[in-house]
Amino acid sequence: GAGVSQSPRYKVAKRGQDVALRCDPISGHVSLFWYQQALGQGPEFLTYFQNEAQLDKSGLPSDRFFAERPEGSVSTLKIQRTQQEDSAVYLCASSLDDGRPRTDTQYFGPGTRLTVL
Amino acid sequence: AQTVTQSQPEMSVQEAETVTLSCTYDTSENNYYLFWYKQPPSRQMILVIRQEAYKQQNATENRFSVNFQKAAKSFSLKISDSQLGDTAMYFCAFMNLLRNAGNNRKLIWGLGTSLAVNP
Repeated sequence: GAGVSQSPRYKVAKRGQDVALRCDPISGHVSLFWYQQALGQGPEFLTYFQNEAQLDKSGLPSDRFFAERPEGSVSTLKIQRTQQEDSAVYLCASSLDDGRPRTDTQYFGPGTRLTVL
Repeated sequence: AQTVTQSQPEMSVQEAETVTLSCTYDTSENNYYLFWYKQPPSRQMILVIRQEAYKQQNATENRFSVNFQKAAKSFSLKISDSQLGDTAMYFCAFMNLLRNAGNNRKLIWGLGTSLAVNP
């Protein structure tokens, strides 16, 4: 079946612009995660959804970052008034997470590389 | 708080040979999962192997196997018969078994090891 998809794959923004990054998880997956991966680093957790509920947003670096998943499927990560330090790859992952063993394994999309000039 | 350490920023291996990537972690929890993910230059993160901490038997997936030492908090990845397609960044990651605030199963990552397989 189709994997996790993300769009756009690449985004260049001028400092101060708003951007929106989209994630289409694997169909039927309950859990959805956003991670930020700076150059040469491992991913860092941003936020977590269980269906449409955002249950953990402790990793969002500032109030300029906002995420939603209104119908429990597609998710959008929005960054307002982008800054140079926001430049990174933004990874989306989903998991079925239906309580059965190993369904909490996360499957990743290709990421969106954001460059803020 | 949990941390994951990968002490080898870069490694290389000749095609068909064996290489071991190291990972250590720190946690006060007794039940958790450990993962190795592979990230090729195309940047799609791919699951390589998964280990449950409550299982004593080391996980294996074809040419990939782990050496899980719970007391030492060590979780190394062995790649046998290395292939050119194994060239990638390899990340070690930790997941708590017990859901924390927000019913979350987030992954905590190391910095990665860049593996080059040479012909």
